[in-house]
Parts: sequence; structure tokens; C-alpha cells
Amino acid sequence: SQQGEEDPQALSIQEGENATMNCSYKTSINNLQWYRQNSGRGLVHLILIRSNEREKHSGRLRVTLDTSKKSSSLLITASRAADTASYFCATDVAIQGAQKLVFGQGTRLTINP
Amino acid sequence: ETGVTQTPRHLVMGMTNKKSLKCEQHLGHNAMYWYKQSAKKPLELMFVYSLEERVENNSVPSRFSPECPNSSHLFLHLHTLQPEDSALYLCASSQDIFRLTSGSTDTQYFGPGTRLTVL
Repeated sequence: SQQGEEDPQALSIQEGENATMNCSYKTSINNLQWYRQNSGRGLVHLILIRSNEREKHSGRLRVTLDTSKKSSSLLITASRAADTASYFCATDVAIQGAQKLVFGQGTRLTINP
Repeated sequence: ETGVTQTPRHLVMGMTNKKSLKCEQHLGHNAMYWYKQSAKKPLELMFVYSLEERVENNSVPSRFSPECPNSSHLFLHLHTLQPEDSALYLCASSQDIFRLTSGSTDTQYFGPGTRLTVL
């Protein structure tokens, strides 16, 4: 399985509800990042959380990191139709002596009006 | 707008064609990347350049040939591709590939991608 795996693979909720996506990883990390991708477009960086941080906020986004469980969650509060997109977690891992950013397969989020 | 542009946005080519994808970043970054995104697969890192030098090639077939003439421009030259190469090709840039102060990777800024279809 992947270094970063998002769960669920797809999520559909009503506008106004909160959306929670989870990411699990295997190896130790320096930081974990969340990105968003609208259909067929490039990824946009949302938030970065360092390994010594447990929680971070940015607007309607709340990210938690549990290094003991090797997991992170992204919470979007008061969802809007415009939040419909795929969300990816990315972990920086050491591969063959170099730090690299490794992406998961993503969670496809659909916000229904 | 992320400050990273890619052209063309869509490309259809035959298996015998030669084409090039172009990426330009206006952020003053030192590192640039090519990724391949296929349906139902994680983003695959193809190439990494730092200060115009290739530092990473993740066993990409030779029919993909990158070129980085300066720190603002990155090309991906394509020749004799296969239908399975059809995908979204994303370019990204970051300030550096590695932060000595934190020992961690930088945030990456992505272009909109080129949707490639190989017939």
C-alpha cells in the first residue's frame, strides 16, 4: 500500500455539513501537507503541519496530526459547493537518501447543494 | 493562479509524433518537478530539477526526455509514446528541494497540467 493513503476514497455530503478526510502513512515524517485538486487541474497547497505540531487551522480548515498513529485528518467546516474537489495528503519521506514528497491517491469530495 | 503555467493545456498525439510540454514558473523558485497523474493512481514523480540540474529520475522510460534550460523553464519532450502514457502531466516548483534548517521538503506550487492523449 501507499506511503500516504487517504480515507475515504470518496465522500458526498450536503452543503453546510462538515467533511472529514483521513490520511495514514508508514514511515516517519518531517511534515505532512494537504493539497486540493479541482477536476483536471493542478494541485493547490492548503496547509502544512510539522511533525512537532498536533493541530493547525486555516480558515475553515482544521488539520490534526498524530505521529504515534501515523495519521492525519483534514476537517472542512461549513462546507460549500465550491469545496467539491479531490484532496490529497503528501508526506515528505527519505527515499534513497533524499527527502521527497509522496502523495496519496486522494479523497474525492462532493458537496451537494 | 499559482505562478506556474503550462502549455499546451490539452494535447492529442499519435504514437509516432514528437511533441513537447512546457512549464514556466514566475516565483523565483530553484526546484522544478514533472509529475504524471493517471486515473486511479497516486501522483507519480517523474523528474526533479534543482538549479537546472536533474537530481531525480524515477526510472522513467527514455521516450520522456526532460530539459531545464534555466530555473524558470522546464520542458518535457515526448517521442514514440504509448497509449498508456495518456495522463495529466503536472509541473510544479518549490523554493528548494530540501530545507537545511528544517530537514524537510518545501511546499510545491503546481501548474494547471497538460491533458495528454496518445492515440
